Amino acid sequence: SQQGEEDPQALSIQEGENATMNCSYKTSINNLQWYRQNSGRGLVHLILIRSNEREKHSGRLRVTLDTSKKSSSLLITASRAADTASYFCATDSPGNTGKLIFGQGTTLQVKP
Amino acid sequence: GAVVSQHPSWVICKSGTSVKIECRSLDFQATTMFWYRQFPKQSLMLMATSNEGSKATYEQGVEKDKFLINHASLTLSTLTVTSAHPEDSSFYICSARDFGGKNYNEQFFGPGTRLTVL
Repeated sequence: SQQGEEDPQALSIQEGENATMNCSYKTSINNLQWYRQNSGRGLVHLILIRSNEREKHSGRLRVTLDTSKKSSSLLITASRAADTASYFCATDSPGNTGKLIFGQGTTLQVKP
Repeated sequence: GAVVSQHPSWVICKSGTSVKIECRSLDFQATTMFWYRQFPKQSLMLMATSNEGSKATYEQGVEKDKFLINHASLTLSTLTVTSAHPEDSSFYICSARDFGGKNYNEQFFGPGTRLTVL
């Protein structure tokens, strides 16, 4: 079952602007991961943040995690047209099953 | 490293036929593989978890007799959609994880297989 909700569902910005996507989840987690998916393609792993971490950076990506609010955000700075894609958060729950539960996703369009 | 392949990348079949999709981990041993289904403009839905050498564990609502999963080796899992119908048309994505490796937290995703049932 899907436990993640993301907002906004769709986001359209100009190249150079920042894009922020939010993800909320319902149960406790081991870690939370963000993925990108270009239309009709597979998933690309962007970043993983563990439950004991609050913020993580990777290039133009910044992820925050607030376990008290069961939420995470993904910030893409200085966006480019090539960032146009769908972005999904996924939670890896305790129990070591390895299952990832995906959020509904945010579709990002970056206009040149 | 950590490459997962799927074959075929797309397939079109007639209603009532069976289709097999392969998922391979190319440069690591996948102790666990997962199968997801994604309908257009929707998120990924986990269908089942397969551990090498044992029966797959299916998520609620997924028919195990319709979606046969075999994970006979540490590098190969197969999903067979039996007696496919148009409503089974979807994008099927596998992922692999090596619980014994240094990247045990990560899942590595295949490129997906687009199934169209006529």
